[in-house]
Amino acid sequence: GIQVEQSPPDLILQEGANSTLRCNFSDSVNNLQWFHQNPWGQLINLFYIPSGTKQNGRLSATTVATERYSLLYISSSQTTDSGVYFCAVENSGNTPLVFGKGTRLSVIA
Amino acid sequence: DAGVTQSPTHLIKTRGQQVTLRCSPKSGHDTVSWYQQALGQGPQFIFQYYEEEERQRGNFPDRFSGHQFPNYSSELNVNALLLGDSALYLCASSVRDRVPEQYFGPGTRLTVT
Repeated sequence: GIQVEQSPPDLILQEGANSTLRCNFSDSVNNLQWFHQNPWGQLINLFYIPSGTKQNGRLSATTVATERYSLLYISSSQTTDSGVYFCAVENSGNTPLVFGKGTRLSVIA
Repeated sequence: DAGVTQSPTHLIKTRGQQVTLRCSPKSGHDTVSWYQQALGQGPQFIFQYYEEEERQRGNFPDRFSGHQFPNYSSELNVNALLLGDSALYLCASSVRDRVPEQYFGPGTRLTVT
């Protein structure tokens, strides 16, 4: 099945810093989603981005489908950005999401 | 617009017991998928329901079973609980044959002692 690798596994930032999280996948995808998992376990949808670029406030994401990677950018990080960020992909219709192992982000004041 | 809801929030069971978890999909969604997330890991797919039938299944034993009701809500049942079944169980909903974006509920945290 499709493989998903996220990097880095852990990231510690000072408040106000910028960061880039990477997601590599091993096959073509028809769905790629970025999630933020809060301390209570809820997966919050950040982006649905199988290709192209999207922005939402301080967050933006780019997926280069032909090269099989996606990037999540966090600018001017805040302590509330802390948590685990997951990339998940689906490589054909109506198939399950396959998750990476996540990037654990800690933003310190 | 109600999002995905799950119940209960937390549950403690003893080895060998059975448990039922419940999920109501986002309004307008017809497909429900269940995932298990062990501590420190990413969610793992258990199975997916559409039109009250199991459509796909991940690598989980038959002790894990489910059901979908005509109103699209779903249940996950786990029999003969093992200590290793302790995890966060997540339900996701989507619309079949449309934009495949999945939305997740808050999860049920199951502890088996």
